[in-house]
Amino acid sequence: AQSVTQPDIHITVSEGASLELRCNYSYGATPYLFWYVQSPGQGLQLLLKYFSGDTLVQGIKGFEAEFKRSQSSFNLRKPSVHWSDAAEYFCAVGGGNKLVFGAGTILRVKS
Amino acid sequence: GAVVSQHPSWVICKSGTSVKIECRSLDFQATTMFWYRQFPKQSLMLMATSNEGSKATYEQGVEKDKFLINHASLTLSTLTVTSAHPEDSSFYICSARQPEGGPSHEQFFGPGTRLTVL
Repeated sequence: AQSVTQPDIHITVSEGASLELRCNYSYGATPYLFWYVQSPGQGLQLLLKYFSGDTLVQGIKGFEAEFKRSQSSFNLRKPSVHWSDAAEYFCAVGGGNKLVFGAGTILRVKS
Repeated sequence: GAVVSQHPSWVICKSGTSVKIECRSLDFQATTMFWYRQFPKQSLMLMATSNEGSKATYEQGVEKDKFLINHASLTLSTLTVTSAHPEDSSFYICSARQPEGGPSHEQFFGPGTRLTVL
């Protein structure tokens, strides 16, 4: 069965600083990987996804993620964080017709 | 495209009553929809997979008689929480999968329904 680990529960960065959120997955076959963002009391918004091809994936709002098969990782990055990026971020892996989510990382942005 | 709506967005009910939550795919037909539950400060946990015209598949530990799922059309799935109790209070989110021919495993999420049972 697939699983996802997001090792950081909370991360605080200064506005304008770079960001990297970590995600490690476990899945026996080629994974389908996703990053979602959730604001308080809201549903999930898809930031980006990886199915195949180029391992560096560009998403919305200036986010990107890199799939590294050797490390079983799919880390999310943004070069310059904005205060509006404060939210909770979920990594998910698709397999067996289901999505499995990580525990989430809460991003706080300080001015 | 690929918009999913939920209704209501929030509901407060008395203990012992039943509550129905609707999930609609607005601009595509969804043969498969999913229901998730999210407790405060926790991740999403899949409750069940809803297939149009057939019985839902429940995840281990989810009471099928407690959480009734109906997927009677290609654009509507409903979740009914029967005889609700305070411990059923949670944020319920549905999602729908792309129609056949679209990328597999990609789900589009509704905005969620906040259920509070008094």
